[in-house]
Amino acid sequence: DAGVTQSPTHLIKTRGQHVTLRCSPISGHKSVSWYQQVLGQGPQFIFQYYEKEERGRGNFPDRFSARQFPNYSSELNVNALLLGDSALYLCASNLGGVSTEAFFGQGTRLTVV
Amino acid sequence: QQQVKQSPQSLIVQKGGISIINCAYENTAFDYFPWYQQFPGKGPALLIAIRPDVSEKKEGRFTISFNKSAKQFSLHIMDSQPGDSATYFCAARGGNTDKLIFGTGTRLQVFP
Repeated sequence: DAGVTQSPTHLIKTRGQHVTLRCSPISGHKSVSWYQQVLGQGPQFIFQYYEKEERGRGNFPDRFSARQFPNYSSELNVNALLLGDSALYLCASNLGGVSTEAFFGQGTRLTVV
Repeated sequence: QQQVKQSPQSLIVQKGGISIINCAYENTAFDYFPWYQQFPGKGPALLIAIRPDVSEKKEGRFTISFNKSAKQFSLHIMDSQPGDSATYFCAARGGNTDKLIFGTGTRLQVFP
């Protein structure tokens, strides 16, 4: 079975640009969450989507947005990129419902120059 | 109250030794406590997880000890191997949310 897949794996963008990151959850998983991991720190929660509805939002500016599609895949969009947005962006999926195991993808390494 | 405090920041252990990483939390609504292992350039991989209705869970060389009254939990890696060298994160989740709160991570180095 395929795990959580994210694309692209690496990305270099210029300040002020927009970026879209993509995630395909494990088959059967209906919940997708996004995390930002800055080098040397633990992942920080950005969004959670379940059945195409936003279920949670972390402390991130409105430049960050996301959505989930009918096939449960998800996109994370970041507008007006700042140097500080450089990080590993992680997608996690789980079956949905509380207290179920979350599995992470390999991440997208975003570098803003 | 949403924080999970993790220690130590780094750990050096000899092959065959025991690695111990500790975490503490404040929010009593947390009811699920996973540990993740992360290698450089990779996403975190779920290692083992525990719920507060048990005090210990063991899977192979990995054991979680949970102390509900002290609001602390720890990961023990028995017979540590060089392949265990990675960064380990504790996390917590609770209430009606899937949001994971992560600790700051422990970089483990196991020397032969």
